[in-house]
Amino acid sequence: DIQMTQSPSTLSASVGDRVTITCRASQSISSWLAWYQQKPGKAPKLLIYDASVLENGVPSRFSGSGSGTEFTLTISSLQPDDVATYYCQQYNSYSLYTFGPGTKLEIK
Amino acid sequence: QVQLLQSGAEVKKPGASVKVSCKASGYSFTGHYIHWVRQAPGQGLEWMGWINPNSAGTNYPRKFRGRITMTRDTSSTTVYMELSSLRLDDTAVYFCARDRAYCSPTHCPTLGSFDTWGQGTVVTVSS
Repeated sequence: DIQMTQSPSTLSASVGDRVTITCRASQSISSWLAWYQQKPGKAPKLLIYDASVLENGVPSRFSGSGSGTEFTLTISSLQPDDVATYYCQQYNSYSLYTFGPGTKLEIK
Repeated sequence: QVQLLQSGAEVKKPGASVKVSCKASGYSFTGHYIHWVRQAPGQGLEWMGWINPNSAGTNYPRKFRGRITMTRDTSSTTVYMELSSLRLDDTAVYFCARDRAYCSPTHCPTLGSFDTWGQGTVVTVSS
C-alpha cells in the first residue's frame, strides 16, 4: 500500500506570508495527487488535482507542484480565510486511495 | 448546482449495523463514481471505497471487506453505505464524495479526486 506523509504537521504564519506544505509518497504516484482544505466542522474542499491543476473557483494564490514522490502546495500570500487543515491524497492505485495525515495551518 | 445530501446522525450499539444515504442532484448520476470517506474525532481522512452508480460495481479496501456494502438506487439518485458489526472505533463522521472524473459508457478516465462532498453524517457507536 502507498503511504503518504506531510510536513510540517502544524504551521503558523503571518498574513501575507508565502506558505509551503510538502507531501511525500512511499512510491511513485506520477502526478496522481490532490490537495484538500478542511475547515472545522466542514467537509473537505478540493483545491488541486493531478498535482498542479487548480479546481474551478479556487483562488489563484493556491498552487501545486511535483511529480513522482514529492509534492508541494503553496499559498502565495496567506489570508485569514486560509486557516484550515490541508490534506494531500494519492490516487495512483485504482483500488486504494490514501490521504496524508494533514497539516494544520494557523495565523500568527 | 451539484449537491450531495446525506442522511442524519445515527447512534448505534456495538455489533449493530448502520446505513447512511447520500442523495445526488444537479448532474448526471450515472456519470460519476461515488466514494465514501470517514473521519474519526480529531483524526484524518480514511477512504472506504467507491461505487459505480451506472453498473453498481463496487471496490472496497481490504480493511473494510466483509463489513461494508455500497448500493445505489438510480430512480432516486441515491447511494447507500452500510457498515456492519460496528465497533467503538467506527465512531466517526462519514462523508460521501463525487469523483471528479466523468465516465461515459465506453470510457472512464483516472478516478480519484473528489470534487463535491456531502455534509457528513455523524455515526456514534456506544454501549
